[in-house]
Amino acid sequence: DIQMTQSPSSLSASVGDRVTITCRSSQRINSYLSWYQQKPGKAPKLLIFGASTLQSGDPSRFSGSATGTDGTDFTLTINNLQPEDFASYYCQQSYDIPYTFGQGTKLEIK
Amino acid sequence: QITLNESGPTLVKPTQTLTLTCTFSGFSFSTSGMGVGWIRQPPGKALEWLALIFWNDDVRYSPSLKSRLTITKDTSRNQVVLTMTHMDPVDTATYYCAHRDFTLFDSFDMWGQGTKVTVSS
Repeated sequence: DIQMTQSPSSLSASVGDRVTITCRSSQRINSYLSWYQQKPGKAPKLLIFGASTLQSGDPSRFSGSATGTDGTDFTLTINNLQPEDFASYYCQQSYDIPYTFGQGTKLEIK
Repeated sequence: QITLNESGPTLVKPTQTLTLTCTFSGFSFSTSGMGVGWIRQPPGKALEWLALIFWNDDVRYSPSLKSRLTITKDTSRNQVVLTMTHMDPVDTATYYCAHRDFTLFDSFDMWGQGTKVTVSS
């Protein structure tokens, strides 16, 4: 199985801040990396697919990228944090079965 | 517009079999490349992928749960059914079904609202 290591597990920030969440896969996944946002009691919502493509309708303050040269490191960046952005975020690889998720990052208001 | 809705029991006893139904609209299994997956989330924990069924009847399972899972589809009813045998309290979770879009790097672009299942005697 491909392991997804996500960090940090929790993060405190203020409205207007810029935050970055990282996700590392245990092997190359060729940009088959998605980011989801989940609010308490709600289903996850797709934010980013293909490592860097913003899902239609999502605000441009969210961005994703593949970093490094080995295709295993990814980041989700949120610029100018808004109150509605405080939620949990998960990365997920869909390169190989079984699909696997990161352990999640809970973004809280400082 | 794609929508998915999970249904099934909220409480099952240990050792029983869980049957969950995902009823969807806005897409069809006649679309090549399309898939529907099941994902669960224990209270306060991370998401866990369980199973996936494709338009061509191909199925995939989480290796750790493969012996307990069966996923099927009813194309005429626009439904996907997941059964999980030998339920245990550790299977207590919210279970989601989701549409897998092969045009979006196989991401799950639409999710149901989830159904909460408690395993307890």
